[in-house]
Amino acid sequence: DIVLTQSPDSLAVSLGERATINCKSSQSLLYGSNNRNTLAWYQQKPGQPPKVLIYWASTRESGVPDRFSGSGSGTDFTLSISSLQAEDVAVYYCQQYYSSPFTFGPGTKVDI
Amino acid sequence: QVQLVESGGGVVQPGGSLRLSCAASGFTFSSYPLHWVRQAPGKGLEWVAVISYDGSYKYYANFVEGRFTISRDNSKKTLYLQITSLRVEDTGVYYCARGRDFRAHLDHWGQGTLVTVS
Repeated sequence: DIVLTQSPDSLAVSLGERATINCKSSQSLLYGSNNRNTLAWYQQKPGQPPKVLIYWASTRESGVPDRFSGSGSGTDFTLSISSLQAEDVAVYYCQQYYSSPFTFGPGTKVDI
Repeated sequence: QVQLVESGGGVVQPGGSLRLSCAASGFTFSSYPLHWVRQAPGKGLEWVAVISYDGSYKYYANFVEGRFTISRDNSKKTLYLQITSLRVEDTGVYYCARGRDFRAHLDHWGQGTLVTVS
């Protein structure tokens, strides 16, 4: 099974400052058929279901603010929030869809 | 708009069984793979299972150990998860989610249904 680790476990960022979350995979997520990385990022606020932010490691989902961006390739990936807003307080998860089981990372809690 | 509504959760004794349902609307149900993802209280997300658009392919997490069965009825636009031999550690919120494609992210999620094994 592919194991995803995230760092840090939690972080506190001032309003307007940058937040960076890392996700590391136990094996490459680069899918040979389309040369894209099979990694997504989700945001989950308390009492709500998760919401996809980024897929194919760097493609922003429709309607997601452009302060959210994803980067990385192979085994190392990053989610960045360029200017943290109060509504960004949440837990963020990475997920791989390279192969079943389609595992999630343990999550990173972002606070102000 | 896309809607996924789970039901069927509740309180069950260890060793019991439960069938969860997920009713879909707002999209062509038979064209998309569907997933179950669960979340224990205060814990992270845990992928459970996926079923292909036509039900021909099904994959499960290792912890399932033959106790869970994912299925779908495209005529009823409904996804199911049959859970048997329930354990205390199966307690949590169970979400259904739509896959954009089989090897793709989960683009729409339901609100979840709570299963408590006690």
